[in-house]
Amino acid sequence: EVQLLESGGGLVQPGGSLRLSCAASGFTFTSYAMSWVRQAPGKGLEWVSSLSSSGYSTYYADSVKGRFTISRDNSKNTLYLEMHSLRAEDTAIYYCARKTLDYSNYDYWGQGILVTVSS
Amino acid sequence: SYELTQPPSVSVSPGQTASITCSGDKLGDKYACWYQQRPGQSPVLVIYQHTKRPSGIPERFSGSNSGNTATLTISGTQAMDEADYYCQAWDSSTAYVVFGGGTKLTVL
Repeated sequence: EVQLLESGGGLVQPGGSLRLSCAASGFTFTSYAMSWVRQAPGKGLEWVSSLSSSGYSTYYADSVKGRFTISRDNSKNTLYLEMHSLRAEDTAIYYCARKTLDYSNYDYWGQGILVTVSS
Repeated sequence: SYELTQPPSVSVSPGQTASITCSGDKLGDKYACWYQQRPGQSPVLVIYQHTKRPSGIPERFSGSNSGNTATLTISGTQAMDEADYYCQAWDSSTAYVVFGGGTKLTVL
């Protein structure tokens, strides 16, 4: 059974940093590109960042470019999102999601982890 | 930047057919998909590559595409289908992922 389990969320002050983790199991992690998608309270889904299966290619939404870094440790089957210079508008539930092999959509999602940026 | 437009809300009576549209420039050239998100839950893929249905998704869910518009159709809508629905496309030239703003489906 495919499972994606996020951790590392919480309350952080504006300007602060946080690292999210997503532990993957039940599939060959090294074969799949992965992404982070977020959802602000009461709002829609927003793509944040994607990473190729090898980890060599990264992509970021303009809203987080230069502040967030996506990475993966294929030896630990874990996806990461390093978040710096956090702003109130980064407050959201952050989902880890597995891309399908044709890269066009997400077939599995984690349960999400809440990040709150507030003083 | 690329945008996808959905109606904010759609209402349907139980047993009737609900249609939710998603519009975007040359959307037919990109693989559109649809997610269902019930309150407090993670999104679930219900349609991919415009018309395909993942295993485990009821046959009443179907998708279609015409030029710049993708449509999610739910036939014989049930109370359990009440949820938010999001379309999504992937721009292969930039690798950017775009979501529509979401449509709240109310079954009443």
